[in-house]
Amino acid sequence: QVQLQESGPGLVKPSETLSLTCTVSGGSISHYYWNWIRQPPGKGLEWIGYVYSSGSTNYNPSLKSRVTISSDTSKNQFSLKLSSVTAADTAVYYCARALTLSPGRLDPWGQGTLVTVSS
Amino acid sequence: EIVLTQSPATLSLSPGERATLSCRASQSVNTYLAWYRQKPGQAPRLLIYDASNRATGIPARFSGSGSGTDFTLTISSLEPEDFAVYYCQQRSNWPLTFGGGTKVEIK
Repeated sequence: QVQLQESGPGLVKPSETLSLTCTVSGGSISHYYWNWIRQPPGKGLEWIGYVYSSGSTNYNPSLKSRVTISSDTSKNQFSLKLSSVTAADTAVYYCARALTLSPGRLDPWGQGTLVTVSS
Repeated sequence: EIVLTQSPATLSLSPGERATLSCRASQSVNTYLAWYRQKPGQAPRLLIYDASNRATGIPARFSGSGSGTDFTLTISSLEPEDFAVYYCQQRSNWPLTFGGGTKVEIK
């Protein structure tokens, strides 16, 4: 049974770059879409983007200028970088898998990691 | 982008009662709609995909219906673990979008 685990700094300074990694265990990252989603405290969910196992990417236009998602098949990991962060980027960040034949069907999810943007 | 509007915002019910949650899309999403349950402090979990298909391990008390712009999630008899927030999500168009959520609380 595949499991996902987010990791990275819990505190990032304004204007710096947020960097998170999602480690996939119990299965290969090949032939799937790997997504990042975020949830500000007490608010709803926002899809950030995905990387397909081939390396192709797709980002939410609202964040596209600041987002990079990449994968490392040798480590069974994929990563999120969000540049020029502000307090509005404070959120729980989740990673999630989607099937090749059902892109956008998010299952399973990681447990999430809280990232706070503050000086 | 496609906007999803969920109603009601809060639903107050007792264990054993039936819950009916709605999700309306700003344009047709065909049947490319999913439902997730999020318990406090946990990640969302997929319940229903493509409008009416239960995800692996999801009990039969959960059912989904609808197509086009109007969708419904029904929980036939609420269990204690069902008091949570529910989100709908469309995958018809990029970017993926979520509704604002419906909180099912204990009456």
